[in-house]
Amino acid sequence: KQEVTQIPAALSVPEGENLVLNCSFTDSAIYNLQWFRQDPGKGLTSLLLIQSSQREQTSGRLNASLDKSSGRSTLYIAASQPGDSATYLCAVIGGSNYKLTFGKGTLLTVNP
Amino acid sequence: GAVVSQHPSRVICKSGTSVKIECRSLDFQATTMFWYRQFPKQSLMLMATSNEGSKATYEQGVEKDKFLINHASLTLSTLTVTSAHPEDSSFYICSARDLSANSPLHFGNGTRLTVT
Repeated sequence: KQEVTQIPAALSVPEGENLVLNCSFTDSAIYNLQWFRQDPGKGLTSLLLIQSSQREQTSGRLNASLDKSSGRSTLYIAASQPGDSATYLCAVIGGSNYKLTFGKGTLLTVNP
Repeated sequence: GAVVSQHPSRVICKSGTSVKIECRSLDFQATTMFWYRQFPKQSLMLMATSNEGSKATYEQGVEKDKFLINHASLTLSTLTVTSAHPEDSSFYICSARDLSANSPLHFGNGTRLTVT
């Protein structure tokens, strides 16, 4: 059974800092990995999708890496802003039914 | 980009009544839709996988007679919470994928259900 762990559970940083969020998964047989953002009481916004054959994806100030063999992914946020404050969720898709397994998320607070 | 519309965004109902939540893919065809439930400060938990034209597959511990799922077309799946109880109060989110497994999963904005 796939398990996804995200560390840290919560992170508070001053504005402008670069930061890294970590995600690990137990079953390396995945199709892809996706990072999401969730604002309080809201749905999910897809940030980055990394195919299983890829090593990283970049979008603006965000960079996500994937090391499938070790079961790890990181989300790097450069020059953080207060508007980046949200919960960041990592999810992997794998198996024959393409089931998505989520981590519990990292609650990020960027202080002005 | 692909959009998934979920309706309603909020609903308050009395115990014993049923509530229907709709999930629509607006600009792509979704053979598979997923329904999730999220309790406060917890991760999303997959409830069931909805396949167009066939019965939904429920996760262990999810009562299929309580959470009725219908996926009648390639763009619409519905979740009906029957005989709702206060403990059913939660945030329900649907997601849909177009036909390629390597495409992103698109999510609705969620439905906040409160059962009084």
